[in-house]
Amino acid sequence: DTAVSQTPKYLVTQMGNDKSIKCEQNLGHDTMYWYKQDSKKFLKIMFSYNNKELIINETVPNRFSPKSPDKAHLNLHINSLELGDSAVYFCASSQGVFRSGGYLSYNEQFFGPGTRLTVL
Amino acid sequence: DQQVKQNSPSLSVQEGRISILNCDYTNSMFDYFLWYKKYPAEGPTFLISISSIKDKNEDGRFTVFLNKSAKHLSLHIVPSQPGDSAVYFCAASSSYNTDKLIFGTGTRLQVFP
Repeated sequence: DTAVSQTPKYLVTQMGNDKSIKCEQNLGHDTMYWYKQDSKKFLKIMFSYNNKELIINETVPNRFSPKSPDKAHLNLHINSLELGDSAVYFCASSQGVFRSGGYLSYNEQFFGPGTRLTVL
Repeated sequence: DQQVKQNSPSLSVQEGRISILNCDYTNSMFDYFLWYKKYPAEGPTFLISISSIKDKNEDGRFTVFLNKSAKHLSLHIVPSQPGDSAVYFCAASSSYNTDKLIFGTGTRLQVFP
């Protein structure tokens, strides 16, 4: 069973189009994320949602709009695609942070396989 | 401003030897650090982590060392195996923004027979 799945795996489209990438996790996690890995291999967070609520919204153009219909899904919709949007987009999920013995412990993030977006 | 840096883009090690991957950070607020491993065409997978209250964490062949004064951490793999060949990402987080992981640019490890 795939823990975090993304569709499609590859997406090739023309500039100016609108496209969506879907993400689903079957781990029962409360928090989901979108990351972008650009051509320089930087992996940068774009958004995070906790129980369908937006928690993190990095400096991302408003052409990018995440949508979370339920806590198992976090989709990414991109309007008016530009050449610079070409990248690999990763979805991730985690159970978040918990306290143990008075200290914060972090649950690791589980990543999907990525969606390679190419804008022509 | 790159807060987490992996200055070695690649590393080549013979099977059975030790692999040492390094990571430096600039933000003193970071208090939790993780290593992820990534194979081509797959997402990163969690490997090992360390909290700033510790200076070492070990899991089988993998050990992470944290030097807070130097803002440096390293991942040791011993003995290295060909299956360890992958890209390794260091990541950091802080307790005031727990959901936000800051990743380094990765080090490509190749383990040859």
